Amino acid sequence: TQLLEQSPQFLSIQEGENLTVYCNSSSVFSSLQWYRQEPGEGPVLLVTVVTGGEVKKLKRLTFQFGDARKDSSLHITAAQPGDTGLYLCAGGGDYKLSFGAGTTVTVRA
Amino acid sequence: DAGITQSPRHKVTETGTPVTLRCHQTENHRYMYWYRQDPGHGLRLIHYSYGVKDTDKGEVSDGYSVSRSKTEDFLLTLESATSSQTSVYFCAISRTGNSYEQYFGPGTRLTVT
Repeated sequence: TQLLEQSPQFLSIQEGENLTVYCNSSSVFSSLQWYRQEPGEGPVLLVTVVTGGEVKKLKRLTFQFGDARKDSSLHITAAQPGDTGLYLCAGGGDYKLSFGAGTTVTVRA
Repeated sequence: DAGITQSPRHKVTETGTPVTLRCHQTENHRYMYWYRQDPGHGLRLIHYSYGVKDTDKGEVSDGYSVSRSKTEDFLLTLESATSSQTSVYFCAISRTGNSYEQYFGPGTRLTVT
């Protein structure tokens, strides 16, 4: 059972465009993380959000945690080919993480 | 770099054989995890450990066992490999369990024929 639903599953955009990935759940999480994974490698942690309504920025990436701590979004401004990868959200609770199925982002040059 | 290595990185084995995957960390973290990753499923937790000899099951633990006799090593054993266990296996550590932030190894690609 997937507690976290990510949308869209696939996203292909042109370099310079903006994109948003969504992560939704019916459960409340103590914290929510976003990871990026490139082919043949393990996921790499991008950010952790813990407070409802929290917004964090990492260069061109903006992460939001919903007020009720059940959902999150990742927005990339002016996407570059280096942003290509699998983006995973994960919700924390009871010393474990539950992962969404991921969004595959392709940025075309 | 969280100092996590996995071995082997690639393995092909036959149905019915036992297989052991090793995760090694160099930073003495208490929490260690084994996941499998399959298309369309994201990462699913198999087993985790919260200390030496302290382990618990995840959501997809059937057919897998784990052992942790030293802080730095967490072993995953497929008791009798099946084709449904063909997957990419990732080990992860958490520097502090409460934060839930996890750092992943490079993965082991296992093929069961």
